[in-house]
Amino acid sequence: RKEVEQDPGPFNVPEGATVAFNCTYSNSASQSFFWYRQDCRKEPKLLMSVYSSGNEDGRFTAQLNRASQYISLLIRDSKLSDSATYLCVVNQGGKLIFGQGTELSVKP
Amino acid sequence: GAVVSQHPSWVICKSGTSVKIECRSLDFQATTMFWYRQFPKQSLMLMATSNEGSKATYEQGVEKDKFLINHASLTLSTLTVTSAHPEDSSFYICSAREGDIRPGYTFGSGTRLTVV
Repeated sequence: RKEVEQDPGPFNVPEGATVAFNCTYSNSASQSFFWYRQDCRKEPKLLMSVYSSGNEDGRFTAQLNRASQYISLLIRDSKLSDSATYLCVVNQGGKLIFGQGTELSVKP
Repeated sequence: GAVVSQHPSWVICKSGTSVKIECRSLDFQATTMFWYRQFPKQSLMLMATSNEGSKATYEQGVEKDKFLINHASLTLSTLTVTSAHPEDSSFYICSAREGDIRPGYTFGSGTRLTVV
């Protein structure tokens, strides 16, 4: 079983759609959680941290459920510029462990 | 903000040669450096973790004699792919952390290695 698993992609959605990404992690001792965004042939960039209380940043909302070891990311009113691969990331003992990523393509 | 400069951004080399990739932290001291590899359509896989002045810790399945990591100073870490083969062609990315001073991880811009 992979340490961090994400929805398989790609997700193809029209502009303005709401998109939800799901992620599960296997190590209950994981300490902190993040969503990163990676554009083609670029390094990953931190999108937001994820907390049990939920975290919202504009059109982006992230949620963590420690009991079920589940992480989510919701993107509302998607824009063309949101097209990228979204990576679920877990901090285990100081190391960042990445999920395989879910590719999002927002079409006009 | 924190910046990690990674060079080269891309390199093409012949099979059997060695390639060195450098990562420099420009405005902070990188006490810990992480090296990742990413194959097309796959995620970043952690290869090794290095702390300044000590030997790197390699993840399971990563050959330490093939991927030499040096972290001799707080601002520079290098990854040398020795005797490269076509299957080593990949995107290599470093990530630095400034210990407890500055939380978070800063990524280099990556190196695309093609072995022909």
